[in-house]
Amino acid sequence: GIQVEQSPPDLILQEGANSTLRCNFSDSVNNLQWFHQNPWGQLINLFYIPSGTKQNGRLSATTVATERYSLLYISSSQTTDSGVYFCAVIESASGTYKYIFGTGTRLKVLA
Amino acid sequence: GAGVSQTPSNKVTEKGKYVELRCDPISGHTALYWYRQSLGQGPEFLIYFQGTGAADDSGLPNDRFFAVRPEGSVSTLKIQRTERGDSAVYLCASSPFVGETQYFGPGTRLLVL
Repeated sequence: GIQVEQSPPDLILQEGANSTLRCNFSDSVNNLQWFHQNPWGQLINLFYIPSGTKQNGRLSATTVATERYSLLYISSSQTTDSGVYFCAVIESASGTYKYIFGTGTRLKVLA
Repeated sequence: GAGVSQTPSNKVTEKGKYVELRCDPISGHTALYWYRQSLGQGPEFLIYFQGTGAADDSGLPNDRFFAVRPEGSVSTLKIQRTERGDSAVYLCASSPFVGETQYFGPGTRLLVL
């Protein structure tokens, strides 16, 4: 099955800093979604981005499907950005619509 | 509008007992998904429904796990003869149609003693 790896596994930032999170996947995908899991465990949808670039406020994401990676950019980070960031993909060859989640990036933003 | 809701938010049970976990999807969403998340791990797929039927149940770990969605809205995940290894957060998600953005509920934290 498809492998989904995220880097870095852990990241500590000072408030106001920028960061780039990466998601690599081993096979073709139909769908890709980025989530933020807050300290209370709620998975919050950030982007549905199987290809191309999207922006929402301080966050933006780019997926290059042909090269099998996606990037999540966080600018001017805030303490509320802390938590775990997951990418999740649907493998094109699977014939199904289940998400395979990546390994996650644990982000801590210091005041 | 209201998001995905799950009840109970926490469940503590004893080994060998039966439990039911409930998911109320976003109104009008035809697809519903169940995932399980262990501490420090990403969510893992269990089963998803398109309408009333289970379209893919390949993630259910064994026959102690079963899920239903009889009217194409609310779903119940049922676990028989619970084991300590079943302890995890059970997450439900819904999407307007399969393959579209999935929206997750807050999860049910299950602890089997």
